[in-house]
Amino acid sequence: AQSVTQPDIHITVSEGASLELRCNYSYGATPYLFWYVQSPGQGLQLLLKYFSGDTLVQGIKGFEAEFKRSQSSFNLRKPSVHWSDAAEYFCAVVGSGTYKYIFGTGTRLKVLA
Amino acid sequence: DGGITQSPKYLFRKEGQNVTLSCEQNLNHDAMYWYRQDPGQGLRLIYYSQIVNDFQKGDIAEGYSVSREKKESFPLTVTSAQKNPTAFYLCASSRGQGGTGELFFGEGSRLTVL
Repeated sequence: AQSVTQPDIHITVSEGASLELRCNYSYGATPYLFWYVQSPGQGLQLLLKYFSGDTLVQGIKGFEAEFKRSQSSFNLRKPSVHWSDAAEYFCAVVGSGTYKYIFGTGTRLKVLA
Repeated sequence: DGGITQSPKYLFRKEGQNVTLSCEQNLNHDAMYWYRQDPGQGLRLIYYSQIVNDFQKGDIAEGYSVSREKKESFPLTVTSAQKNPTAFYLCASSRGQGGTGELFFGEGSRLTVL
């Protein structure tokens, strides 16, 4: 079955520390991959996406993600977290030619001052 | 600026009432979607539409209905048949053929059943 797993429900980091949010997927073929961020009571904003090519992709707000086909992973990273990064983060996948985007259950990030 | 507008942002409903959530986009996107978000469950697809006058059920379509009479508009009706309608509802759109682009989201509508 197609699925996206975000194993960490909550993560707490100190401001200035590095961050890695995990995302693993199960899909028949290599899907297109996304990371979104959601502030409380708001819609989702795209951070970055991977379609093909270089497996390390850069996004907005200083985020990056690395696609590892052998591990079926697409982990999100940031070298130095800011207090404004506190939010919920969602990993998502979709297959080429389909309309069914599959979302993980999200990771809520808390940033300590 | 182009974007997706959802209204109302907050909605209260008595049990047994139908309610309609509005979603309008000016991005000229062909595809539109409705998702339901509950705490700890991520986003679940209710309905999607690839083109005007066509739409398909998603994973949790029971108790919901949609229409797509105009490219810009994709309203969602939450009917009295929906057993647990209290949730946060998100509308989204994407350009091009399926799976070739990212989703653009509205700000969401929070429905509470009293």
